[in-house]
Amino acid sequence: GAGVSQSPSNKVTEKGKDVELRCDPISGHTALYWYRQRLGQGLEFLIYFQGNSAPDKSGLPSDRFSAERTGESVSTLTIQRTQQEDSAVYLCASSLAGVYGYTFGSGTRLTVV
Amino acid sequence: GQQLNQSPQSMFIQEGEDVSMNCTSSSIFNTWLWYKQDPGEGPVLLIALYKAGELTSNGRLTAQFGITRKDSFLNISASIPSDVGIYFCAGQLFAPYNTDKLIFGTGTRLQVFP
Repeated sequence: GAGVSQSPSNKVTEKGKDVELRCDPISGHTALYWYRQRLGQGLEFLIYFQGNSAPDKSGLPSDRFSAERTGESVSTLTIQRTQQEDSAVYLCASSLAGVYGYTFGSGTRLTVV
Repeated sequence: GQQLNQSPQSMFIQEGEDVSMNCTSSSIFNTWLWYKQDPGEGPVLLIALYKAGELTSNGRLTAQFGITRKDSFLNISASIPSDVGIYFCAGQLFAPYNTDKLIFGTGTRLQVFP
């Protein structure tokens, strides 16, 4: 597609429920990244994919967080047993490997109540 | 997670004024980038720096990659209302494995008054 697409744009969930956030990167972009942005804060790195493998998962905050990527395209970030501190905007970005300056999606705003 | 120190946190300026913001790190980076984020959107790349000491301009924007590789600044000249937003610096770490991962600053919120 023309840009990075994320869905849903907004998600409200009850504490303890699982959520799945989806990212469609720019076609042909082999690198894909997930970041978290809490209200009024900067971006925290979560995980990096090169193709379908994730050589860097160092930013995932706990084992409740997982992500996968299939077909060197779509990626899904899953948060299990959501907690209120998980409330944030989750941003996805993609790039051609070795090319700096990713393209970001508009994010999914997650609210855990 | 790790974040860079960015200052100032916020700025309130009059249209036409120049703006300066900077970013410092305890780690060495091989690339510095500056992004702008509008409400409800993801960050958009403004300018990229690839070499220590490099000074790069993009229209009214000028950015420099510090000679120590641990800092960068961004200047905006003759500010206009559409400059309003949050500006983030980002650095790419030297890493034992190639992740192209960016570490972001804490952001500078810019407000421009007519």
